[in-house]
Amino acid sequence: ETGVTQTPRHLVMGMTNKKSLKCEQHLGHNAMYWYKQSAKKPLELMFVYSLEERVENNSVPSRFSPECPNSSHLFLHLHTLQPEDSALYLCASSQLTGYRLFFGSGTQLSVL
Amino acid sequence: DAKTTQPTSMDCAEGRAANLPCNHSTISGNEYVYWYRQIHSQGPQYIIHGLKNNETNEMASLIITEDRKSSTLILPHATLRDTAVYYCIVRANNQAGTALIFGKGTTLSVSS
Repeated sequence: ETGVTQTPRHLVMGMTNKKSLKCEQHLGHNAMYWYKQSAKKPLELMFVYSLEERVENNSVPSRFSPECPNSSHLFLHLHTLQPEDSALYLCASSQLTGYRLFFGSGTQLSVL
Repeated sequence: DAKTTQPTSMDCAEGRAANLPCNHSTISGNEYVYWYRQIHSQGPQYIIHGLKNNETNEMASLIITEDRKSSTLILPHATLRDTAVYYCIVRANNQAGTALIFGKGTTLSVSS
């Protein structure tokens, strides 16, 4: 148990669906992150939030929309995804950006 | 952040020490060496980090050469549960506004 909880653990969605991934951290951290890991590929950084403001967006398509309503919660809203978006989506938090990361268990997403 | 080079894969017998090398010849004076590992389909887990002195915790030991251009992560008595991808990352602490970037890492396979 890392103190970072992601739901759902698994998600199957069609290309026309809208879904959201949720991340919650109980560590009192001020920075939160979304990473994507496709099969047999390194982790790719998607978004970084620091003190609830987005500070990094690594050229992610607009069909992925992050939201950070407070320092404990992070969402990733998904719409009109493509099959190549199927991947493990990982949330992480840290005390401040650049500090040690604590990861959740991830959401395994399959887009049909 | 300085670039790191790790072997693609390594094998280790259960109960023996696993020594995972990492080269970081362009490391700067204020950059730390971090190690994370990722067990299949889970989020990465922090193992250890150090600046120039050797470090040890309940999970592993980190040996950094005197010139800081390379380091070795040591798992003293590897178990089957240590089978994972191990990532060596170099970065400065408190580097505000940026996040850890993961490379391909070393896939460690522990067998009985």
